[in-house]
This record gives sequence, structure tokens and C-alpha cells, in this order.
Amino acid sequence: KAGVTQTPRYLIKTRGQQVTLSCSPISGHRSVSWYQQTPGQGLQFLFEYFSETQRNKGNFPGRFSGRQFSNSRSEMNVSTLELGDSALYLCASSLGRTNQRTDTQYFGPGTRLTVL
Amino acid sequence: QKEVEQDPGPLSVPEGAIVSLNCTYSNSAFQYFMWYRQYSRKGPELLMYTYSSGNKEDGRFTAQVDKSSKYISLFIRDSQPSDSATYLCAMSALSGTSYGKLTFGQGTILTVHP
Repeated sequence: KAGVTQTPRYLIKTRGQQVTLSCSPISGHRSVSWYQQTPGQGLQFLFEYFSETQRNKGNFPGRFSGRQFSNSRSEMNVSTLELGDSALYLCASSLGRTNQRTDTQYFGPGTRLTVL
Repeated sequence: QKEVEQDPGPLSVPEGAIVSLNCTYSNSAFQYFMWYRQYSRKGPELLMYTYSSGNKEDGRFTAQVDKSSKYISLFIRDSQPSDSATYLCAMSALSGTSYGKLTFGQGTILTVHP
């Protein structure tokens, strides 16, 4: 079974621009979560989508948004990029069942975003 | 104070040593505990998960959870150079407001030298 894929793997942008990152979950998984990883803050939860609906959101500004399509693929958008947005952006997929005892998250390789 | 505390190390051990990695947490709502391993330039890979106090063993890895002390551990026996990576503890609360959210420790950088 193919794992979680993310595109692009590397991205360089300048301040003020916007960026869209893509995530394809494991086949059959309906939940996609996004995380930001930086050396200083570690892995921080951005938001989670299930069946095209955002179910949960972390403490990030509104410049960070996302969406999910009917095939469970998800995109994340960051507008008006700032230097501090440079990070590894990871998505993780899971079945999305409400019984989270068995709802394990599997991560993709990440998109490395550099903002100049 | 962070909800999950993890000593970032770095930790350097000789091949064959027993490695102990630990995390403490403050949120009593955390019920589901995981350990991930992350190699350089890769995404985190799930090693073990558990939702009860006690020990869980899988090959050379043992995960230990003590909910009364809010303390979890991962032990690696007979460590190998290929175990060199960053180890992340992660936790989630089993409630509707926690959909899809894992809370991570800072990660411990481990190096196993031959």
C-alpha cells in the first residue's frame, strides 16, 4: 500500500508571497492532519480535515488555511509569507474513526519551505 | 510550560547499549501515547503506540506508560547505528475536541556509534 505523499518536497518563496502544499493520504484514510516542524518549536498541529470538513484547528494565524477534496487529498495554503514560516510542513493521514484508540497517524515526508 | 516535555539530548551511546528515552506530560486528558522515529530529511515513522499504563514490547523496543506519574518511556535494547535518529513522543486526548491532533515532545537526538 502506498504511503502518504506530499508535493512539492522543497519550495523557496519570498516574503509576501503565498504558497500551496499538497498531501495525498493512504488509500482508505479519510482524515488528514497538518503539522509545522521547526527547530525551535518542534512539531505543532495546524489543523485536521475529515470528509472535506475542518474538525480541529491549532493556534496559528488565519494566514494558514486548508481544504480537503472528496478523494481525501488535502491542500494547505499560507498567504502573505513571513520569514518565520520557514519550516518543514508535514501531513499525516489516518482512518479518522472517532474511536481514536486505533486511529494511528502516518506521516508523509514533508515539504521543506524556505522563505527569503 | 509545555504540555509535553522531552529532553532534547543529544544522547550518544555505544553500539549494543540500552537506551532510555523519556517524556513527561501535564494534561490528564492524554490517553493515547506514541513514539515516532524521524531520520534526517524524512517524516516521522511510527514505532509504537499504547493507551494503557504498563509495558508494551515489540522486538528491541519497549514502551512504558505510567499515567499516575504522567511519565512515558521508550527503551531500546541492543542499540544499533541504524537507530541513530530523532525520537519523538506524541500524545492525544480521546475526546471530540482533539480530532486529529497529536501533541509532541521536542524530540531526543540519539546517536549510536559503532
